[in-house]
Amino acid sequence: EDKVVQSPLSLVVHEGDTVTLNCSYEVTNFRSLLWYKQEKKAPTFLFMLTSSGIEKKSGRLSSILDKKELSSILNITATQTGDSAIYLCAVKTSYDKVIFGPGTSLSVIP
Amino acid sequence: DVKVTQSSRYLVKRTGEKVFLECVQDMDHENMFWYRQDPGLGLRLIYFSYDVKMKEKGDIPEGYSVSREKKERFSLILESASTNQTSMYLCASSWTSGGGVAQYFGPGTRLLVL
Repeated sequence: EDKVVQSPLSLVVHEGDTVTLNCSYEVTNFRSLLWYKQEKKAPTFLFMLTSSGIEKKSGRLSSILDKKELSSILNITATQTGDSAIYLCAVKTSYDKVIFGPGTSLSVIP
Repeated sequence: DVKVTQSSRYLVKRTGEKVFLECVQDMDHENMFWYRQDPGLGLRLIYFSYDVKMKEKGDIPEGYSVSREKKERFSLILESASTNQTSMYLCASSWTSGGGVAQYFGPGTRLLVL
């Protein structure tokens, strides 16, 4: 059975801290790994990773995929209260089916 | 901009009612998906469709059916709603890519079954 696991499930940090969110997967026919941010609405897309070892970066957020370890990390540096959200990791398999992890709930306190 | 719309933001139904949730996308995407999202369980795939009239079961299809008569529209049907189907329902769409394209989500429908 295809599975995506995230850790930690929840995290509370202070503004300015750096956080690392983890995602690991066990799937057949891996195609890509996706990160989403979800606030009080539908998820919004952050990154898609298909190749191992290549970092994707957007402002203070960055992510990298390790296909050997079947995992990915999402880093957020200099966190702000606006980063508070649920971060979802998902893996796309054949037929473009996407399996989501449970999410990491991040709270950034001033 | 990709736009995925869902027919209702909030719905209240009674146990045993038939419920239709509709999703429309305007980007000619081949693939469409229905998820439900519950606290502590994350997003779970109910059904998806990779072409008109094609459908595939996801992880939790029991109690649901779907219909895709036109490329832009994907309907989720609860044949006889039950209280355990109270949830947030999210529709998404994407191109067929072999891996290279993300899903785009609609705003969600919060369904309460009494």
